[in-house]
Amino acid sequence: DSGVTQTPKHLITATGQRVTLRCSPRSGDLSVYWYQQSLDQGLQFLIHYYNGEERAKGNILERFSAQQFPDLHSELNLSSLELGDSALYFCASSVSAESSGNTIYFGEGSWLTVV
Amino acid sequence: AQKITQTQPGMFVQEKEAVTLDCTYDTSDPSYGLFWYKQPSSGEMIFLIYQGSYDQQNATEGRYSLNFQKARKSANLVISASQLGDSAMYFCAMRAANTGGFKTIFGAGTRLFVKA
Repeated sequence: DSGVTQTPKHLITATGQRVTLRCSPRSGDLSVYWYQQSLDQGLQFLIHYYNGEERAKGNILERFSAQQFPDLHSELNLSSLELGDSALYFCASSVSAESSGNTIYFGEGSWLTVV
Repeated sequence: AQKITQTQPGMFVQEKEAVTLDCTYDTSDPSYGLFWYKQPSSGEMIFLIYQGSYDQQNATEGRYSLNFQKARKSANLVISASQLGDSAMYFCAMRAANTGGFKTIFGAGTRLFVKA
């Protein structure tokens, strides 16, 4: 158990809908990262928050947004869902933001299926 | 540009034997970290081992060791005494400074099959 908690574990929704994925980082971790893992794209970095502020953006679509709250939990909002958004979405956390030796620990992921 | 390359889509190993999973990387940043993660069929990503770019010795964690060859920009994972439970997807990752901050990027992964 990494200590990173993600909900829901599985989600099935229809095209055009909106979903929210939730993440609680490990105790003491200030950084939260979101990754998307799909069969054809591998593990793609979406966005990084540190202590409530956005720190880095990756290949995140405009239909997707995220935020980190004062209690450090984070939410990833996916809207106008398309079939291609079906993927495993990971949240990860780490203690700090600016270090090459910063190990990130992953949650168990949220499986999203868009039908 | 930063890049991680894992050239072995799949590997087979006999139980109790050692196996090496290849990883090469590219970065212009002198300070970087290299990581390996294991993803079993259940889906979770499990951190295995870390090597810093300035570390003089190869990292080891139990049956896992990282063969770090800085000049060749390689960071191969060695699993000794393979077990059936080692069957999984393995990802090499690198963390380095990037425009807009540090990012951890991942290779495409290698699927390891351990045979009884």
